[in-house]
Amino acid sequence: EPEVTQTPSHQVTQMGQEVILRCVPISNHLYFYWYRQILGQKVEFLVSFYNNEISEKSEIFDDQFSVERPDGSNFTLKIRSTKLEDSAMYFCASSVLGNGYTFGSGTRLTVV
Amino acid sequence: AQSVTQPDIHITVSEGASLELRCNYSYGATPYLFWYVQSPGQGLQLLLKYFSGDTLVQGIKGFEAEFKRSQSSFNLRKPSVHWSDAAEYFCAALTGTASKLTFGTGTRLQVTL
Repeated sequence: EPEVTQTPSHQVTQMGQEVILRCVPISNHLYFYWYRQILGQKVEFLVSFYNNEISEKSEIFDDQFSVERPDGSNFTLKIRSTKLEDSAMYFCASSVLGNGYTFGSGTRLTVV
Repeated sequence: AQSVTQPDIHITVSEGASLELRCNYSYGATPYLFWYVQSPGQGLQLLLKYFSGDTLVQGIKGFEAEFKRSQSSFNLRKPSVHWSDAAEYFCAALTGTASKLTFGTGTRLQVTL
């Protein structure tokens, strides 16, 4: 069964550093998403991406965040200057028509 | 505002007992509805989904869910729980015009032997 692949599985970074979280969506999917889950809390939407541009973003997704699809397979989330409160599990997802999601296994980001 | 509510934060059941996890939604129109399961430190696995049609939906691992429009509910059920079902369960919804999933706060299931 096709999978969404995320790397790394765990990343530790110092406050103020830039991080890039990587995702390889399912090859024939057209919609891409990032969600995050702060420990013990619910999963929150960050951003959706379609046709090489952001289609929707949440209030969380401020100027410190950016997304990119640099080639035909990767989908990245960049946090420019990490803060302690950015520590969370970040999930990438992809879908065909926007309503049949497949999630990756997540990247646990720890900001110290 | 559109929302998904899971009233039970934590549920404990004995292995072999039946299970029902509650989910209510608040949307102007009937959304698409999903149940996901998350084992500790793991990603989100789709158990089942409801788009339209038959209101009783079968999923993986022996789970099913029933959509009840009159109650704005989409409760997850399993007739006989196994110890390996211990995990966090999330209900989620999206509308046809929105691309994002809205998650409930989750229900942590503990299974006693």
